[in-house]
Amino acid sequence: EDQVTQSPEALRLQEGESSSLNCSYTVSGLRGLFWYRQDPGKGPEFLFTLYSAGEEKEKERLKATLTKKESFLHITAPKPEDSATYLCAVHSGYALNFGKGTSLLVTP
Amino acid sequence: GAVVSQHPSWVICKSGTSVKIECRSLDFQATTMFWYRQFPKQSLMLMATSNEGSKATYEQGVEKDKFLINHASLTLSTLTVTSAHPEDSSFYICSAIEDGYTFGSGTRLTVV
Repeated sequence: EDQVTQSPEALRLQEGESSSLNCSYTVSGLRGLFWYRQDPGKGPEFLFTLYSAGEEKEKERLKATLTKKESFLHITAPKPEDSATYLCAVHSGYALNFGKGTSLLVTP
Repeated sequence: GAVVSQHPSWVICKSGTSVKIECRSLDFQATTMFWYRQFPKQSLMLMATSNEGSKATYEQGVEKDKFLINHASLTLSTLTVTSAHPEDSSFYICSAIEDGYTFGSGTRLTVV
């Protein structure tokens, strides 16, 4: 059975303070690892898909990396507007299997 | 990019009544749509997969007679929560496969 574990559950950063979010996964046959951003009361917003170990993708202040067991979402010099819940999900069959997310708060 | 439109964004209903949630794919056809449920501070849990023109596939533990799914066209899937009870209060989100997995904006259901 697929398992996705995200850590930490919550993270508070000062504006400009870089950090990383972790997503550990166990899956039989990874067909993609997805990162989403979710704002309160909204649906998930797509950020990245990673398919193989060693792959990296960047978008503005965010960079996602993938190994055979985990993925990291690096946030460089975050701004308050980066505050949200970040969700990791794996695709091994037909639908996505999500972790519980990391709630990020960036203070000015 | 692909857009999945979900309505209503929130609904309050009385216990025992039924509520319908719509999910539409805009500018693309969605043969398959997924319905998720999310409780506070919990992950999105897959409830069912709807396929256009055929019966939905429900995940283990999800009551198919309570959560009726209809996918009558390539652009519309509906989830009807029948005889809703307070424990059905949750955030329901649909998703379609286009530009990866695209999600609707979600529906907050509160049963009183």
